[in-house]
Amino acid sequence: GQQVMQIPQYQHVQEGEDFTTYCNSSTTLSNIQWYKQRPGGHPVFLIQLVKSGEVKKQKRLTFQFGEAKKNSSLHITATQTTDVGTYFCAGRAGGTSYGKLTFGQGTILTVHP
Amino acid sequence: NAGVTQTPKFQVLKTGQSMTLQCAQDMNHNSMYWYRQDPGMGLRLIYYSASEGTTDKGEVPNGYNVSRLNKREFSLRLESAAPSQTSVYFCASSEAGRRDQPQHFGDGTRLSIL
Repeated sequence: GQQVMQIPQYQHVQEGEDFTTYCNSSTTLSNIQWYKQRPGGHPVFLIQLVKSGEVKKQKRLTFQFGEAKKNSSLHITATQTTDVGTYFCAGRAGGTSYGKLTFGQGTILTVHP
Repeated sequence: NAGVTQTPKFQVLKTGQSMTLQCAQDMNHNSMYWYRQDPGMGLRLIYYSASEGTTDKGEVPNGYNVSRLNKREFSLRLESAAPSQTSVYFCASSEAGRRDQPQHFGDGTRLSIL
């Protein structure tokens, strides 16, 4: 079945440092979504990428979708303590039902003030 | 606007007991989902319902059953709970459409099975 691998599993940074998490799929994806989960909370949708090579920005967050639509990344510039949480990618393989996403394991980000 | 509401928030069961987790959404979404979240495993889809009256298995359906009672409600039942089902369970919903839509999650049910 489809697998979505996410690395690293953990990342500790000092406030102000940059952070990147990577997502790799075993199959070509129709699209990829990114979610953030604060400690003790629930996942919250951040963004969806659909096109090959697509790049989207949300303030200090930059999202990329690979040319082959099998990988994606989330980069945070100058982390803040409010960025703490777990970041998940979730993708859907072509031919599967809409909404049937496969989530990566998540990257747990800790930001030290 | 409550969004997705899950009950209960916490539950402790003994092995072999049965339990139904409730989920309701007030966003008029067609699609609803049940996930479990375990440390280091991400979110794994148990069952989903693309629309009222339909349900389909996800990645880890064994030991669970679901009911899409109406457009608002989607329940998850454990008929005979096992310690391996100790987890945090999330319900989610999304609009239907010709492309994937953002999924909106409830606050989760933390379930421990002794």
